[in-house]
Amino acid sequence: SQQGEEDPQALSIQEGENATMNCSYKTSINNLQWYRQNSGRGLVHLILIRSNEREKHSGRLRVTLDTSKKSSSLLITASRAADTASYFCATALGQKLVFGQGTRLTINP
Amino acid sequence: EADIYQTPRYLVIGTGKKITLECSQTMGHDKMYWYQQDPGMELHLIHYSYGVNSTEKGDLSSESTVSRIRTEHFPLTLESARPSHTSQYLCASRGLIVGGEENYGYTFGSGTRLTVV
Repeated sequence: SQQGEEDPQALSIQEGENATMNCSYKTSINNLQWYRQNSGRGLVHLILIRSNEREKHSGRLRVTLDTSKKSSSLLITASRAADTASYFCATALGQKLVFGQGTRLTINP
Repeated sequence: EADIYQTPRYLVIGTGKKITLECSQTMGHDKMYWYQQDPGMELHLIHYSYGVNSTEKGDLSSESTVSRIRTEHFPLTLESARPSHTSQYLCASRGLIVGGEENYGYTFGSGTRLTVV
């Protein structure tokens, strides 16, 4: 991967459970962003965390950032079938956004 | 709902044809980007623009070209399509300031899925 790597590559859980995805990156960053992509569609911006922040919340989403370990995690609580999608972390390198390989999340009813 | 539009949504063409993928945004964003994505894979930046008359090549070598004559329009052209160009092409934009703060998030179009036969 160019910059970010997500782990796991695929995750399948039952509806109502929490889903956790991790992202590691290689260089210093200004911010780290998480995006969702439904099958065959464009990406939707979910949340941004700045390099001087450690945790951020948005609805059922919780993002953490550990700059010393160059890693971030995305937690989706109380998952729903509609959360089924691929989730990408992206790091800002100058004016460009570099994406990881994504985690494919499947929520089973 | 995203205010960035890509056409066509799907395109199947023969080898050697010239094609242009359209991307337009109504948000007045100065920065625009083209990414290429194979199914289930990461996105690769192929072109970007910081404003009118500004175009730069991205991290992934591409045989395509772009132009930015108007702020809202950022078309991508393949002069002679080949089967290796089969992929999904995603256009994105970013505005500088939203609500008085610098905006870092990208807005993506729905993509053009290109198949070259």
